[in-house]
Amino acid sequence: GQQLNQSPQSMFIQEGEDVSMNCTSSSIFNTWLWYKQEPGEGPVLLIALYKAGELTSNGRLTAQFGITRKDSFLNISASIPSDVGIYFCAGPTGTASKLTFGTGTRLQVTL
Amino acid sequence: GAVVSQHPSWVICKSGTSVKIECRSLDFQATTMFWYRQFPKQSLMLMATSNEGSKATYEQGVEKDKFLINHASLTLSTLTVTSAHPEDSSFYICSARAGVGDSYNEQFFGPGTRLTVL
Repeated sequence: GQQLNQSPQSMFIQEGEDVSMNCTSSSIFNTWLWYKQEPGEGPVLLIALYKAGELTSNGRLTAQFGITRKDSFLNISASIPSDVGIYFCAGPTGTASKLTFGTGTRLQVTL
Repeated sequence: GAVVSQHPSWVICKSGTSVKIECRSLDFQATTMFWYRQFPKQSLMLMATSNEGSKATYEQGVEKDKFLINHASLTLSTLTVTSAHPEDSSFYICSARAGVGDSYNEQFFGPGTRLTVL
């Protein structure tokens, strides 16, 4: 089946720093999604990307749909403590747009 | 915005008992609901897809007789873990989708249910 690999697996950064993470796939996706999950909660959609090369922002978050359609990137600028969580990429496939989730990037922000 | 709730938020049960988890879309009609399982420090893995009024479609390796899914209405789906064992302990998350067909429509996720089987 399709796999979405995220890197880095985890990050420990200081407040104010910028963060970059990426997601790569063995196959093409037509939509890329980025979610954030906080402990004990379900994932929350941050950004959705629909076209190769698309660059979309949501506040301090910016995501890009790779031109090969096999990767995507998420950047967080000027991180704050509430950015702590696990960030997942995901892509819909097959019938009913079932989602495949990436392996996740765990972000820790220190003061 | 679209809200999905789950009940209970956590449950502890004895090995061999059955546990039912409810997933409700509170302010929209969900044509499709999805059930995921997440083990500690791992990603979400899709277990099954359920459409209102029809049988659920299970992912490879998921036992349909162990994880019974019922999607009786456009706002409610239930997951019953039958004869639960400690290895079934996990975080179960549902999501709901309002659209139809294969094109992408946003899925809205519930807050999850943590199941611990003793």
